[in-house]
This record gives sequence, C-alpha cells and structure tokens, in this order.
Amino acid sequence: GAVVSQHPSRVICKSGTSVKIECRSLDFQATTMFWYRQFPKQSLMLMATSNEGSKATYEQGVEKDKFLINHASLTLSTLTVTSAHPEDSSFYICSARAGFGYTFGSGTRLTVV
Amino acid sequence: DAKTTQPTSMDCAEGRAANLPCNHSTISGNEYVYWYRQIHSQGPQYIIHGLKNNETNEMASLIITEDRKSSTLILPHATLRDTAVYYCIAVPTGANNLFFGTGTRLTVIP
Repeated sequence: GAVVSQHPSRVICKSGTSVKIECRSLDFQATTMFWYRQFPKQSLMLMATSNEGSKATYEQGVEKDKFLINHASLTLSTLTVTSAHPEDSSFYICSARAGFGYTFGSGTRLTVV
Repeated sequence: DAKTTQPTSMDCAEGRAANLPCNHSTISGNEYVYWYRQIHSQGPQYIIHGLKNNETNEMASLIITEDRKSSTLILPHATLRDTAVYYCIAVPTGANNLFFGTGTRLTVIP
C-alpha cells in the first residue's frame, strides 16, 4: 500500500532556531501533500496544503513566513518551522492522497526549549 | 463539508464487537464517509470508507443508514491494540484534504 515516510520522528531544538521536517511518499507520486499540527489531547488541525512546483496554500491563522513549505518533487515535501518558540511545540503530521484515501506519516514530535 | 458528531469516548470489552456511531445529518450526496483512527503518538490510519452501501474489509465494517444521516463503524472482535481515537469524516468527492473533528476515544478493556 501507499506509504508516507516522515522524518525525524522526534526533535528538540532551542528557541530561535529553525527545524525542518521531511515528508516522503515512498511508492507513489504525490502532487499534493498536507501538513497538520496536533496539540496534546486535541484533534489534528490542517495547517497547509503543499503543491508540487507551486506555492503552498495555508489555512487561516497559519503564518506562511513561519511555517515554510517546499514541495520540490513529486515525492518530497518539507516543512520548516522558522525561529521556533516553545508554543510551536507540537506533533506535526503530513499526509498525501493515495488512491481512494489519504495516507499519513508517523508524525514528528517537536519540542522547543 | 458536512459536520460529523461522535461520542467523546467509549469502552469495549476485549473480544466483543465495538460499535462506534457517527452522526452526519447534513451530509450531501457527493460526500463519502471516511473512518480513520489514531493510536497514541502515531499518524492516523485509514480504516474504511463508503458512500451509500455498507462496506466491509479486513479491519472493520461500515454500516450507513439508508438516509445517509448516520453511520456505524464496527470492529467485530476488539483487541487491546484497537484502543485509539476514531475519526468519522465526511469527504466530498474530489476533495483535496481532510478536516478532523474531535473523534471518539475507544478504550478496549481486558
């Protein structure tokens, strides 16, 4: 089946630094990928839609200059959290549409200290 | 997209069937009902989806009422590994993303 690989699974960074999260479709091509954020005990919130070869589409309230998305190939999308702050600590999850459904990565636990 | 309503939490005894309800009374004709689950600290996992007819796969069965205003996900023999948050989502045909509600936290009890 379609597999989405997300890396790293866990990262700790200092305030003010940037962190890059990678999302790869392993056995299929994904012209569109999606980035979600999930705070403890809450549901997944869609942050942005990543489009191969064009700009990402951000949901209302998500700062595009803070959460940089690059989708340079049909199998890779990256999310960079710039100038991270403790309030950016969260579980970040990517997904891609594959066939009849959506496949999700295993998530990245970001802790900003 | 149609809003879905699910109970916040449910318990189920191990080995028994788990029946998870979902209300989607405003669903439109082109919206599918998708079910995903999320085990703690993992990405969501696809379970099943349907439009009008009941569906069954190796994981679960999906029963959709004739008026399509509600559905039930059935895990026929729940195991401890089925403990997770289950999300019911109404997805329009050709939709390009999924919006998650609060889901049902299912706890399978030994």
